[in-house]
Amino acid sequence: AQSVAQPEDQVNVAEGNPLTVKCTYSVSGNPYLFWYVQYPNRGLQFLLKYITGDNLVKGSYGFEAEFNKSQTSFHLKKPSALVSDSALYFCAVRGDTGGFKTIFGAGTRLFVKA
Amino acid sequence: DTGVSQNPRHKITKRGQNVTFRCDPISEHNRLYWYRQTLGQGPEFLTYFQNEAQLEKSRLLSDRFSAERPKGSFSTLEIQRTEQGDSAMYLCASSLGGRATAYEQYFGPGTRLTVT
Repeated sequence: AQSVAQPEDQVNVAEGNPLTVKCTYSVSGNPYLFWYVQYPNRGLQFLLKYITGDNLVKGSYGFEAEFNKSQTSFHLKKPSALVSDSALYFCAVRGDTGGFKTIFGAGTRLFVKA
Repeated sequence: DTGVSQNPRHKITKRGQNVTFRCDPISEHNRLYWYRQTLGQGPEFLTYFQNEAQLEKSRLLSDRFSAERPKGSFSTLEIQRTEQGDSAMYLCASSLGGRATAYEQYFGPGTRLTVT
């Protein structure tokens, strides 16, 4: 069965410091991995994805994520956090075999303090 | 604005009533998804359309739920005989399609359903 785990409900970081939001997954076949962000009173927005190729993928707003097959992880990172990065972040996965069902994690709230 | 739109944005209904939500995807997107999101949780997959064909449906989608996408354009999600447990945010998303890759989904603002 497919699953996504975001082990931290909340991540707190000071502005200017690096941030990491963790995600691990379980899927049949090869994974397609995504990060989405949800700002207050706004819909989910796509940040970045891993399909194949380079394990480090870069996305919007300076975010990047590293795919680690052996650890089945896809952690979201940013070298220098901004207060405006404060939001709810969701990791999502779909396997390349079978259907089109995308599984989302429960979300991690990122709080960046000035 | 050419994003995904959903109507209504809010719906309050009494238990036992039927409700219908509409989703208008991005025009060139052939794939359409419905999700349900409750407080503190991520979106939960309900169903998926490729053009007008409903290709996948969650086991969570009871027989009170039905979705259609006539002519492969807009989609409707109907809930019959609503229950209080149906109270949630219902999200629609659309994407491009392709066999060898996976495209990101673009989400609408959601329809918040409250069943009293």
